[in-house]
Amino acid sequence: QKEVEQNSGPLSVPEGAIASLNCTYSDRGSQSFFWYRQYSGKSPELIMFIYSNGDKEDGRFTAQLNKASQYVSLLIRDSQPSDSATYLCAVKGDFGNEKLTFGTGTRLTIIP
Amino acid sequence: KAGVTQTPRYLIKTRGQQVTLSCSPISGHRSVSWYQQTPGQGLQFLFEYFSETQRNKGNFPGRFSGRQFSNSRSEMNVSTLELGDSALYLCASSLLPGDQPQHFGDGTRLSIL
Repeated sequence: QKEVEQNSGPLSVPEGAIASLNCTYSDRGSQSFFWYRQYSGKSPELIMFIYSNGDKEDGRFTAQLNKASQYVSLLIRDSQPSDSATYLCAVKGDFGNEKLTFGTGTRLTIIP
Repeated sequence: KAGVTQTPRYLIKTRGQQVTLSCSPISGHRSVSWYQQTPGQGLQFLFEYFSETQRNKGNFPGRFSGRQFSNSRSEMNVSTLELGDSALYLCASSLLPGDQPQHFGDGTRLSIL
């Protein structure tokens, strides 16, 4: 079992709809969770992070965390063609082992 | 403020050769992490350096090594190259270990023939 799992997609969503991206992780001790966006041919950039159970909203993006289910999700409201990218879920280890473990990413395409 | 700079951008090598990649972090950033990105395995952590010391290491063979200099610049070396080492190698920097966000460079695309 991979440490961080994502559906590789591709996920196609109509413009203006809600895109839902999911991620599960295996290490129950994980404390910090991140979503990176990577455009084709570009390097990843951080778009959201979440540390506590529940929802965290930032503009059109909402990150959701459920530690009991070891599940993290990213919702993108009012999807735009510029949201078309690969979304990488990343989980950080505890103090002293702060390496980021990434999922393989979900490729999202917003259809105009 | 300049971003993370990786050189070279592209590299072609043959099996058995060795290669050295360079990463200059954002000014003031002291932590540098290296990742390998391939279509099948995604982004995999190689190692992290802070204050010239390796703090964390991923599950890669000993052919992969790195170091960090006193100015925080980092290099990674891969010896006895194999076809499977073909990948995009990304470097990311942050102020301190574990800080987010990590700022990624544009990467070095390594192709092994």
